[in-house]
Amino acid sequence: AQRVTQPEKLLSVFKGAPVELKCNYSYSGSPELFWYVQYSRQRLQLLLRHISRESIKGFTADLNKGETSFHLKKPFAQEEDSAMYYCALGIRSNYKLTFGKGTLLTVNP
Amino acid sequence: EPEVTQTPSHQVTQMGQEVILRCVPISNHLYFYWYRQILGQKVEFLVSFYNNEISEKSEIFDDQFSVERPDGSNFTLKIRSTKLEDSAMYFCASSTSNGAFFGQGTRLTVV
Repeated sequence: AQRVTQPEKLLSVFKGAPVELKCNYSYSGSPELFWYVQYSRQRLQLLLRHISRESIKGFTADLNKGETSFHLKKPFAQEEDSAMYYCALGIRSNYKLTFGKGTLLTVNP
Repeated sequence: EPEVTQTPSHQVTQMGQEVILRCVPISNHLYFYWYRQILGQKVEFLVSFYNNEISEKSEIFDDQFSVERPDGSNFTLKIRSTKLEDSAMYFCASSTSNGAFFGQGTRLTVV
């Protein structure tokens, strides 16, 4: 069975500080990892896919298969980054997602 | 940019009543899903649908739940006899290999 762990329920940083949201996964197959973001009163939005290896809104995430991690990082946090962030593991056969519990990021001025 | 749309945004129903939650997935997507999120808990997979049939369902998706794609655009989730514990945010999603795209959710309140 697959599992996604986000150890921090809450994370608070100051504007301009680096931020790292942790995500670890457990899956016996070949995973696809995603980060989703949910701004206040908005829908879940796809932020990053590990396959695309891109940077969106200054965020990056690298899949580390040895540590089974997919941490989300941004060197300089902005107030508009305040949101709920969910790490998710996808199954390639049907693209079903298993979510972590989410981390609420607050960026203070 | 195309979006997944869900109706209604909020549904209040009495325990034991049937509810139908509606979704219009993105038109060229082939996989459709329902997820739910009970207040304060994580987003949980309910069911996936592909090629006009259920491809996978979770333990939560018992006989009280059913899904349909009655026409070429709508994708519905029916809860036959609602229970208090069915109160949650229900999200519809559709996907390609590039990832899943979610609707804005339907908040179901069972009283």
